Amino acid sequence: DAGVIQSPRHEVTEMGQEVTLRCKPISGHDYLFWYRQTMMRGLELLIYFNNNVPIDDSGMPEDRFSAKMPNASFSTLKIQPSEPRDSAVYFCASSLGAFDGKLFFGSGTQLSVL
Amino acid sequence: AQKVTQAQTEISVVEKEDVTLDCVYETRDTTYYLFWYKQPPSGELVFLIRRNSFDEQNEISGRYSWNFQKSTSSFNFTITASQVVDSAVYFCALSETSSNDYKLSFGAGTTVTVRA
Repeated sequence: DAGVIQSPRHEVTEMGQEVTLRCKPISGHDYLFWYRQTMMRGLELLIYFNNNVPIDDSGMPEDRFSAKMPNASFSTLKIQPSEPRDSAVYFCASSLGAFDGKLFFGSGTQLSVL
Repeated sequence: AQKVTQAQTEISVVEKEDVTLDCVYETRDTTYYLFWYKQPPSGELVFLIRRNSFDEQNEISGRYSWNFQKSTSSFNFTITASQVVDSAVYFCALSETSSNDYKLSFGAGTTVTVRA
């Protein structure tokens, strides 16, 4: 089975540009998570979905960030407009069941905003 | 407040040495889950283990072992006879059930370097 697939692996953009990160979860997983990893703040949960419905977006830093999950096999995280402080590795993860905790992570998107 | 503390930022050992990673957590819940994840140089995090708060039995999986002690709120991880492939960042994480949400609180991670 394919794991969680994220694209692109690397994204370099200029400040003010729109950035869209994509994620395909593992088939059959009901939960999808977006995490951000930085040296300063470590791993932060941005938002998670259950059965395509956003459950908790309290970790989304600003209105510039938005996430969608139009169907069970696809999710996007959009930053508009991007800023240099958004530079980080963004991970998508999926899992079965509540409190399962066994997350399957994608390889991440390394975002650099210049 | 930090819910999961990994006091060791970096550990460097020579191959075949044992290495123990410390994890201290903080929660008021009686039911909670603890986890360890590994992040190798390739980047993706890999699940290693999950323990619930009612199961204090230590666990061994190959060269990996975990020591869960509720009395000290610790969930330590030991790699026995370390190998170069064990070089990675290791994260301890906590999931609390009282708020009925589904969030993992990760520690800051411990970078393990195993030298040949």
